[in-house]
Amino acid sequence: GENVEQHPSTLSVQEGDSAVIKCTYSDSASNYFPWYKQELGKRPQLIIDIRSNVGEKKDQRIAVTLNKTAKHFSLHITETQPEDSAVYFCAASKEGMTTDSWGKLQFGAGTQVVVTP
Amino acid sequence: DSGVTQTPKHLITATGQRVTLRCSPRSGDLSVYWYQQSLDQGLQFLIHYYNGEERAKGNILERFSAQQFPDLHSELNLSSLELGDSALYFCASSVALGQEQYFGPGTRLTVT
Repeated sequence: GENVEQHPSTLSVQEGDSAVIKCTYSDSASNYFPWYKQELGKRPQLIIDIRSNVGEKKDQRIAVTLNKTAKHFSLHITETQPEDSAVYFCAASKEGMTTDSWGKLQFGAGTQVVVTP
Repeated sequence: DSGVTQTPKHLITATGQRVTLRCSPRSGDLSVYWYQQSLDQGLQFLIHYYNGEERAKGNILERFSAQQFPDLHSELNLSSLELGDSALYFCASSVALGQEQYFGPGTRLTVT
């Protein structure tokens, strides 16, 4: 089955600096890659996603890049702010590749991001 | 607020018992997903229902079962509970197959 590895497990950045989180996946058939932000005690919140027919996607200070050949994707947060402090999860799935693959997100272990003022 | 609701918020029960967790998807969403989040296992996909039918299954234990009703709400049943079942259980919903999943607030289950 799919295996998603996420690095680093913790990331400390100064406010205003950039943060980068990287994920690798094992199944080349994976075609959907969302990123979730989870604050302590709260639900995972979708912040951005990318599909395999796109190499990069940006939404204000957040961007995601996908390298299908290398089977890795990354989250980039620019101009970090204290409210960016949270655990970030990457995930991968094979939407529609088999009859039983719909919505089967495989999550990475998470990255604790701490933004210090 | 994602629009997905889950009840109860907290549940404390004893080993060997059975509990039911409830999820109401966002209005108009046909898909419901269940996830388990624990410290040692992370976020694990359990099961996916689309418009009342099971569509995908993860490493869901045989002691666990789920269903989606005609009004599209879903229930996750956990039986013969063990200490290791203590976790946060999230449901998520999406409007259709292959679309973005939005998570509910979760149910924290504590098995004593």
